[in-house]
Amino acid sequence: SQQGEEDPQALSIQEGENATMNCSYKTSINNLQWYRQNSGRGLVHLILIRSNEREKHSGRLRVTLDTSKKSSSLLITASRAADTASYFCATQGAQKLVFGQGTRLTINP
Amino acid sequence: DGGITQSPKYLFRKEGQNVTLSCEQNLNHDAMYWYRQDPGQGLRLIYYSQIVNDFQKGDIAEGYSVSREKKESFPLTVTSAQKNPTAFYLCASTGTEIYNEQFFGPGTRLTVL
Repeated sequence: SQQGEEDPQALSIQEGENATMNCSYKTSINNLQWYRQNSGRGLVHLILIRSNEREKHSGRLRVTLDTSKKSSSLLITASRAADTASYFCATQGAQKLVFGQGTRLTINP
Repeated sequence: DGGITQSPKYLFRKEGQNVTLSCEQNLNHDAMYWYRQDPGQGLRLIYYSQIVNDFQKGDIAEGYSVSREKKESFPLTVTSAQKNPTAFYLCASTGTEIYNEQFFGPGTRLTVL
């Protein structure tokens, strides 16, 4: 299966700290995407990194991709209470996106 | 405003009844998708459609049916053959370039009593 596996399943940190979430997958991909989901809501796209890219930034987000290890990480710097949500990685091969089970991030004020 | 709408937000049905979930988009996107999400889990693909009048089964299509008669609309029917239909259902769309981000609707929470 191409499905991403995320680690940790849950993460709780203090406001202002950095949060790092990891994603591993099994087969070759075209790109890897990160999404955010607030409780009971739809997903919001955060960032897409293509298989030939190693690092990408967007605001307080930094994503890395290591295709040799089939892994990616999402770093959120200077976390805020509003960052509390579930974060999903999704890998895309030929067509479909395949989602991981997510990391539930809680930012404590 | 451009976006994807799903209705209703909450849906209750008795066991054995078919139910249809609505998904509409005004983003002029070609491809549309239906996902199922169970508590604490990721998304699983039910069906997807890349063009009007064409759709493909995803990973968990059994017990579901779809149609794509219009570019803007991709309704999902949860049939009585679906053994465990209670879940959160999400619709998404993406533009012509399939290697791109997906835009999601707000979801429909279906509870079968």
